[in-house]
Amino acid sequence: LAKTTQPISMDSYEGQEVNITCSHNNIATNDYITWYQQFPSQGPRFIIQGYKTKVTNEVASLFIPADRKSSTLSLPRVSLSDTAVYYCLVGELNWGGYQKVTFGTGTKLQVIP
Amino acid sequence: NAGVTQTPKFQVLKTGQSMTLQCAQDMNHEYMSWYRQDPGMGLRLIHYSVGAGITDQGEVPNGYNVSRSTTEDFPLRLLSAAPSQTSVYFCASKAQRGGGTGELFFGEGSRLTVL
Repeated sequence: LAKTTQPISMDSYEGQEVNITCSHNNIATNDYITWYQQFPSQGPRFIIQGYKTKVTNEVASLFIPADRKSSTLSLPRVSLSDTAVYYCLVGELNWGGYQKVTFGTGTKLQVIP
Repeated sequence: NAGVTQTPKFQVLKTGQSMTLQCAQDMNHEYMSWYRQDPGMGLRLIHYSVGAGITDQGEVPNGYNVSRSTTEDFPLRLLSAAPSQTSVYFCASKAQRGGGTGELFFGEGSRLTVL
């Protein structure tokens, strides 16, 4: 898997938009970018995935520039319940390069009232 | 569907004791894996399996054994527990073929304390 770099922590006030950037300079052609969210005392859960440009779902948006060497997870109008650790993963989806799925330390987002 | 089920949720061991953490999934996923998470750290991959009879080491395999005799089950064995193995353990599974996002589904975790 491509190595990823994220900020260790971020603080945000309730109601603000939060952007978490992940660097992945050695991303391969077949790699996808996937973000997971982990609440305290729970396992991580999938929130969004993309290959290029922009992807949006009911939880977040994912922005990927043309060179794909970075990506930005955007959480609109965060609430206290968005306080969690967010992990960026880069790799192929199925057979081949995604078997050894490693997570790194993630970004701890603290939402402040 | 229950998803990924881990047992036990909590366990206290003495140094040198052995135990097995159980993991079962009912989604017919080929890929299963074990992670450990220590305070303030991310998840570190211990072992993984891409199908029955096939296992391989992750980042931190020492002190742990695994086997995969069925698609559904992937137990993690500690043969001689050490205080350094005090951690929260997560089991995860995903489909390995058929397109899709390759999403990992996690269990609720097993908190292990070794005294």
